[in-house]
Parts: sequence; structure tokens; C-alpha cells
Amino acid sequence: AQSVTQLGSHVSVSEGALVLLRCNYSSSVPPYLFWYVQYPNQGLQLLLKYTTGATLVKGINGFEAEFKKSETSFHLTKPSAHMSDAAEYFCAVSPSSSGTYKYIFGTGTRLKVLA
Amino acid sequence: EAQVTQNPRYLITVTGKKLTVTCSQNMNHEYMSWYRQDPGLGLRQIYYSMNVEVTDKGDVPEGYKVSRKEKRNFPLILESPSPNQTSLYFCASRVPGKPGGYTFGSGTRLTVV
Repeated sequence: AQSVTQLGSHVSVSEGALVLLRCNYSSSVPPYLFWYVQYPNQGLQLLLKYTTGATLVKGINGFEAEFKKSETSFHLTKPSAHMSDAAEYFCAVSPSSSGTYKYIFGTGTRLKVLA
Repeated sequence: EAQVTQNPRYLITVTGKKLTVTCSQNMNHEYMSWYRQDPGLGLRQIYYSMNVEVTDKGDVPEGYKVSRKEKRNFPLILESPSPNQTSLYFCASRVPGKPGGYTFGSGTRLTVV
């Protein structure tokens, strides 16, 4: 069975500092991997996704994530945090095999950006 | 604009009073799903639908019903709401079989007293 673990339910960084949000997955075959962002009082928006090909994936708002098969990880990073990045971030995994559409979401990491 | 529309955004109701949360998408997506979001638990799938008249249970279906009579609409029905169904609910849709992401609605915050 697939699962996804986000380490740290709350992360605080100073404005301008590196953002690192951790996501590890468990899957018998390489899955599709996603990061979503949820701003206050809004639905989830897709930040970026990994399906196949290049393991470093760039998303919106300067975020990127690297798929590391050996570490079963898909950590989200941004070189310099902005106040507007304060939000909750969810990692999700989906089977890559055809005919199955099940998504598994992590429990979320709330990012706080300090002035 | 491609979107998923949920209504209402906020709802306070009493235990046992039937309610329906509507969801509509304008992207012609076959796959639609309902999630509930609770602190510390992330998003948990309630029900999903792979096409018209095809629905199935997710991880937490107890106390909920759905229907899919038209491709664009996927209402969530609580026949007899209880306080443990107080939560934030999201409807989402996507194209099945492709590695795309979901499009989410803006959410419905439900309080059952």
C-alpha cells in the first residue's frame, strides 16, 4: 500500500531564508508525486508534479522539488522565502500504473514566514 | 475560467437535519471526488466518481451519500449530520488515467451542532 509522510506539521523560516519542506513516500513502484499549496480560506492549488523524466521539477512561485528514488523522497524547496509563501503545503502520491487513480495526501505542513 | 464550484462556503446546521453540498465543474472531467480536511489528518477521501452513474466509497464514507447524474455535478449528501462531521469539505475533479493534478473547489466549512 502507498503512503506519504510529511515531516514537521509546522515549519518557520525567516523572510529570505531557504524553505525546505520534507516529504517521503512508500510505494512498491515509482509513483506520481505532487505538491499542493493551500492559502487561508482557499482550496488546494497544484504547485508542481513529478511523473517521469527529469527528477528536478520546477513549479510556480519559485518552488522546486527533487525526486530521489533511493531515498523515496520528494522534498519541496525555495531558495528565498517571501511573506506571501505562508500557507499549508501538502504532498500527495498517486500510482503510476494505468487504471488506478487513488491519491494519498500527507497530513500537511504549515509554513510560517517571519519578518 | 476552468473551475470547481462548491456551495455553500459556510454552513451551520443542527444534528439530524439533512443537507446537501453542491459541486459543479466546467472542465468536462470524468473523475470527481469529495475530501474532508481535519487538523492533523490531512485530506481524506469520502467518495469518488469515475463517470456518470459510477460512484464508489473512499476511505471515510460513513454518514455520507453522493450521486452523479450528470457529468458536471457531484453533490455530497449528509442524510443525518452528526457533530463528528464538522469539518472542511473539498470537491475536486481531474482527468482520469493521466498524471495530472486535481482542480479543487474553494471548500465548504460545515459545523454541526
